[in-house]
Amino acid sequence: GEDVEQSLFLSVREGDSSVINCTYTDSSSTYLYWYKQEPGAGLQLLTYIFSNMDMKQDQRLTVLLNKKDKHLSLRIADTQTGDSAIYFCAESMRSNYQLIWGAGTKLIIKP
Amino acid sequence: EADIYQTPRYLVIGTGKKITLECSQTMGHDKMYWYQQDPGMELHLIHYSYGVNSTEKGDLSSESTVSRIRTEHFPLTLESARPSHTSQYLCASSGSDRGVEQFFGPGTRLTVL
Repeated sequence: GEDVEQSLFLSVREGDSSVINCTYTDSSSTYLYWYKQEPGAGLQLLTYIFSNMDMKQDQRLTVLLNKKDKHLSLRIADTQTGDSAIYFCAESMRSNYQLIWGAGTKLIIKP
Repeated sequence: EADIYQTPRYLVIGTGKKITLECSQTMGHDKMYWYQQDPGMELHLIHYSYGVNSTEKGDLSSESTVSRIRTEHFPLTLESARPSHTSQYLCASSGSDRGVEQFFGPGTRLTVL
């Protein structure tokens, strides 16, 4: 079945760039999303990319999509302590109105 | 800012009690979802609805039930709470824009003693 995979943890130094990776299996996905979850809170949509795009940039965030390899990445430039959170990758299903979620990557910021 | 609300935010209750977790959205979204999430862990879809009087079970089996009598309201009920129900419950809704982008409420953290 459809699956989305992410590494569970990423540790970076404050000021460095963070790159969070995600792989997915459904080649018919129309949209792919990155959500952020801070401790004790719900999920907040960070950014999304349509499947016919290769890259999308929004301030400090850059999303790269490699459809051939079914690989999605989120780059956060100049990582700050406020970026410490769990980042979820999700793909939309063309056949229904549901999202397939990754397990989330916990971003840890070292001073 | 997403207009989706959940109450209560925190609930500590004894075994055997009946509880209802409330979820409301003011965006007129037709699709609504309930997820169960243990702290720092992945999301599990337990219920969803594509409109009034439409409810379906999700991928994770749950003893809870839901109803959708009004578009804006999607409550989740546990008839008899057990310690195994201790978790965070997240409600989300989706309209027709940008695929199936989901907007999330703040969550209800449930502890059953």
